[in-house]
Amino acid sequence: KQEVTQIPAALSVPEGENLVLNCSFTDSAIYNLQWFRQDPGKGLTSLLLIQSSQREQTSGRLNASLDKSSGRSTLYIAASQPGDSATYLCAVRGTSGSRLTFGEGTQLTVNP
Amino acid sequence: DGGITQSPKYLFRKEGQNVTLSCEQNLNHDAMYWYRQDPGQGLRLIYYSQIVNDFQKGDIAEGYSVSREKKESFPLTVTSAQKNPTAFYLCASMAPGSYNEQFFGPGTRLTVL
Repeated sequence: KQEVTQIPAALSVPEGENLVLNCSFTDSAIYNLQWFRQDPGKGLTSLLLIQSSQREQTSGRLNASLDKSSGRSTLYIAASQPGDSATYLCAVRGTSGSRLTFGEGTQLTVNP
Repeated sequence: DGGITQSPKYLFRKEGQNVTLSCEQNLNHDAMYWYRQDPGQGLRLIYYSQIVNDFQKGDIAEGYSVSREKKESFPLTVTSAQKNPTAFYLCASMAPGSYNEQFFGPGTRLTVL
């Protein structure tokens, strides 16, 4: 059974800092990995999707990498801003079906 | 605007009542999903449907029921058999083809009084 772990559970940084969020998964037989952002009381917003054949994806100040063999993904946020404060979740989709398995998220606070 | 809508945003239920949460999408997606989110926990899959008139149980289906009579709609009923229904409920759909990106609605917060 796939398990997804996100470390740290919470992170507080000053504005302008570059930061890395980590996601690890136990079964490397994945179809893709998706990073989401969730603001309090809201739904999830898709940030980046990495297919299993890709190593990284970039969108603006966000860069996500995937190392399938080691079961790891990182989300890099450059020049963090207070508006980046949210919970970030990663989720993996297995090769055998259409289900996503989610981590518990990293709660990020960027202080002005 | 294309997207996923959920209604109502807040729902209050008395113990012993069934309630139905609405989820509608106009993205032309075949697959739709229902998740439950509790404070400090990740999302848990309740039910999913890959095509009209077909659906499968997820990890925590007990006390819930769904229907998929139309491609656009995937309502979730929380029955009185669900022992701890107070939670945030999220509906999602998935883009077809090889990309398989999942998109979410804004959620419904259910509180049992």
